[in-house]
Amino acid sequence: QSALTQPASVSGSPGQSITISCTGTTNDVGASFDYVSWYQHLPGEGPKLLIFNVKNRPPGVSYRFSGSKSGNTASLTISGLQAEDEADYYCNSYTSSATFVFGTGTQVFVL
Amino acid sequence: QITLKESGPPLVKPTQTLTLTCTFSGFSLKSRGEAVGWIRQPPGQALEWLALIFWDDDTRYGPSLKNRLTITKDASKNQVVLTMANVTPVDTATYYCGHRDNLNYFDYWGRGTVVAVSS
Repeated sequence: QSALTQPASVSGSPGQSITISCTGTTNDVGASFDYVSWYQHLPGEGPKLLIFNVKNRPPGVSYRFSGSKSGNTASLTISGLQAEDEADYYCNSYTSSATFVFGTGTQVFVL
Repeated sequence: QITLKESGPPLVKPTQTLTLTCTFSGFSLKSRGEAVGWIRQPPGQALEWLALIFWDDDTRYGPSLKNRLTITKDASKNQVVLTMANVTPVDTATYYCGHRDNLNYFDYWGRGTVVAVSS
């Protein structure tokens, strides 16, 4: 299985909204089970869960992070961009083969 | 509170077998539905899912490495072990373990252990 496709980088100014896309296939992102999750990864730390099951936020994650899906593409939107949001972001999907696949990763820059 | 911690050798030689241990607390791999996975990140590259083991010893492997990986557990010690055979320099990476939620996402992660493959 191939990695899910994400843009290499996305940038925005403080206060703006940005959206990161994650494109897969009908066997993963586009599958009906909706097991798409998003992670924020800072250097030297383990990835942090931001969104699960396409659009759900775990306790403690800012409302500024939201998720959605259309067809084979999932999206993570960060609203009210802040300097602390500068990090790498990864999508992940469960697959119809009962495995997992990560996205190619997106670097977010706050201008 | 769920915590996980990875451990392993910082340096291994090409062709050797790499053994990594994930020691966890806050849940039990004797409990139905629980699972732990391994994920790695080579320098400057993306996360790559490697393997998963369930409470009932069922296992899953990523297709690109499945022939070289073995994941096992010792539920009594709260440990999951990943072995990778015949390593090469491209296996140099930070290796993470993570707790898999029943809804198929990783909600808790370790901080990772760095492994270099070099002669």
